[in-house]
Amino acid sequence: EVEVVESGGGLVQPGESLRLSCAASGFPFRAYRMSWVRQVPGKGLEWVATIMQDGLDKYYVDSVKGRFIISRDNDKGSLSLQMNNLRVEDTAVYYCVRLSSYCTSGVCYDALHVWGQGTMVTVSS
Amino acid sequence: SSELTQDPAVSVALGQTVTITCQGDRVRSSYASWYQQRPGQAPVLVIYGQNKRPSGIPDRFSGSNSGDTASLTISGAQAEDEADYYCNCRDSSGFYLVFGGGTKLTVL
Repeated sequence: EVEVVESGGGLVQPGESLRLSCAASGFPFRAYRMSWVRQVPGKGLEWVATIMQDGLDKYYVDSVKGRFIISRDNDKGSLSLQMNNLRVEDTAVYYCVRLSSYCTSGVCYDALHVWGQGTMVTVSS
Repeated sequence: SSELTQDPAVSVALGQTVTITCQGDRVRSSYASWYQQRPGQAPVLVIYGQNKRPSGIPDRFSGSNSGDTASLTISGAQAEDEADYYCNCRDSSGFYLVFGGGTKLTVL
């Protein structure tokens, strides 16, 4: 079964750090881009970060640049998100997501096929 | 602009057809993907590309892209289709993703 399972969420104070993990199974992990997407409870989805298959290229939403680090271990089939200097506005459910990219007749697009159940991060004093 | 605009709420009578739209410049050069999120659950991909459905998604779900607008159509809406629906596209760099604000679908 194709699956991603997040862990590591919890309650932290502003300025503290937290590391999220995601264990992938049922598919060739090293063949896929992976992303983190977050959702403030009751609000919409927000893309956070993407890491390329080889782990060398990483992309972040502006609000987390310089604070969050996405990484992967292709041998272990795992994805991580190191979150430093956390802010109250980082409070959200964080989803680990498998991303597929396509190009058809010159039009390229992405689809997020596999989502984890999410892990809640609460930043509060 | 990299924003994607969706109507906050849409309603449809049981068994009728409803279209949810997603508007933004990014749709002109990249197909939108659509996600269904039921309360308390993770999002699920329902449409991607030029009207492609992942395995297990009913064929009452269809999608289209025209100009700056992407559309998700549910033909013969069922009670279980009541959910939030989100569109997303890649931005001009090809590596950043953008989500629409979501549309809450109510099936009456």
